[in-house]
Amino acid sequence: DAGVIQSPRHEVTEMGQEVTLRCKPISGHDYLFWYRQTMMRGLELLIYFNNNVPIDDSGMPEDRFSAKMPNASFSTLKIQPSEPRDSAVYFCASSSGDSYNEQFFGPGTRLTVL
Amino acid sequence: SQQGEEDPQALSIQEGENATMNCSYKTSINNLQWYRQNSGRGLVHLILIRSNEREKHSGRLRVTLDTSKKSSSLLITASRAADTASYFCATVGGYSTLTFGKGTMLLVSP
Repeated sequence: DAGVIQSPRHEVTEMGQEVTLRCKPISGHDYLFWYRQTMMRGLELLIYFNNNVPIDDSGMPEDRFSAKMPNASFSTLKIQPSEPRDSAVYFCASSSGDSYNEQFFGPGTRLTVL
Repeated sequence: SQQGEEDPQALSIQEGENATMNCSYKTSINNLQWYRQNSGRGLVHLILIRSNEREKHSGRLRVTLDTSKKSSSLLITASRAADTASYFCATVGGYSTLTFGKGTMLLVSP
């Protein structure tokens, strides 16, 4: 298995632009998580899905952030419009069985908003 | 907050030495997990210990859990330069999701 796949690996954009991050979870996993990592705040859970349904989006910082999971093998995290404070590394992770089981992380997308 | 806190924030040792990292948390847990993150990479799961377990081993890793003190420790024996990474504990309260601490940065010098 290729593991969790994220794209792009690096994204540099200007303030106000729309940014879309993509994730392909491990096949067969029914949970998908989006995290944001910064030096100041550490690793924060933004939202997670179970069987493609959003379960908890309380970590999504603002209405500028939205996430979708149209099918079991694909999810997107969109920021519109982007701001410099959104600069961070965004991770996608997947797991199976329960929301508190071992999670498998993707390599992350390093986002820089100028 | 359920967030675990790792201690120390940074640890520097020589190859062959043992490295011990600690994690403290505030409320009751379902399980506690340790993850490793190499620079520029995603987190990798190391070990999971359930609330009714006290100790667990995996290769050179030994994890202990003391629910009365709300603390856990991760011991890496005979460390290697390749163990250089950040180590995170993640706690789970009830049937919720993982909450990660800010990590311990471990540097193992040859």
